[in-house]
Amino acid sequence: QQQVKQSPQSLIVQKGGISIINCAYENTAFDYFPWYQQFPGKGPALLIAIRPDVSEKKEGRFTISFNKSAKQFSLHIMDSQPGDSATYFCAAASTGKLIFGQGTTLQVKP
Amino acid sequence: DAGITQSPRHKVTETGTPVTLRCHQTENHRYMYWYRQDPGHGLRLIHYSYGVKDTDKGEVSDGYSVSRSKTEDFLLTLESATSSQTSVYFCAISDSHGGGRETQYFGPGTRLLVL
Repeated sequence: QQQVKQSPQSLIVQKGGISIINCAYENTAFDYFPWYQQFPGKGPALLIAIRPDVSEKKEGRFTISFNKSAKQFSLHIMDSQPGDSATYFCAAASTGKLIFGQGTTLQVKP
Repeated sequence: DAGITQSPRHKVTETGTPVTLRCHQTENHRYMYWYRQDPGHGLRLIHYSYGVKDTDKGEVSDGYSVSRSKTEDFLLTLESATSSQTSVYFCAISDSHGGGRETQYFGPGTRLLVL
């Protein structure tokens, strides 16, 4: 059972454009929603995270939008740069355990 | 990689052989986790530990066992490796568990190929 569904599987964006990755979850007990960024050959690293008591969190060019009623959250990367090319994972946590989405491979073209 | 090392980084083994992967941390974090990463599945939790000698199963624990005799070391053992266990294995650590504070820091990974 896939508790966190992520889309799209892959994404190509031009430099300067906006990248948007979406996730949907099923378990209303989830209380923490992080996004991880992974470069080839490396482990995932925390990018940004949100708790369900807020609808948006922004850190630099990265923004999480959270819709509790729809059980959806998304990552927006503004002014996308070639250095943002990586795989992005959304996740949701309950009782300390993370459930990851399937991942989105982002390519930002110069 | 937040003071986390994994060994070996690459391993090729044959079906039916035992394999042990090691995770070592220098952060003195209480919680440690083993994940496997496969295309189309993201990362899936195998086992985790909430203290020395305290471990619990994750969502894909069949065929795997773990041990934690010291705070800094968390071992993952495949008792009899199968081709379905070919994957990239990541160790993660955290100093908190639950309550919306689950920041986990990941190691560099071990790429395992079972022939």
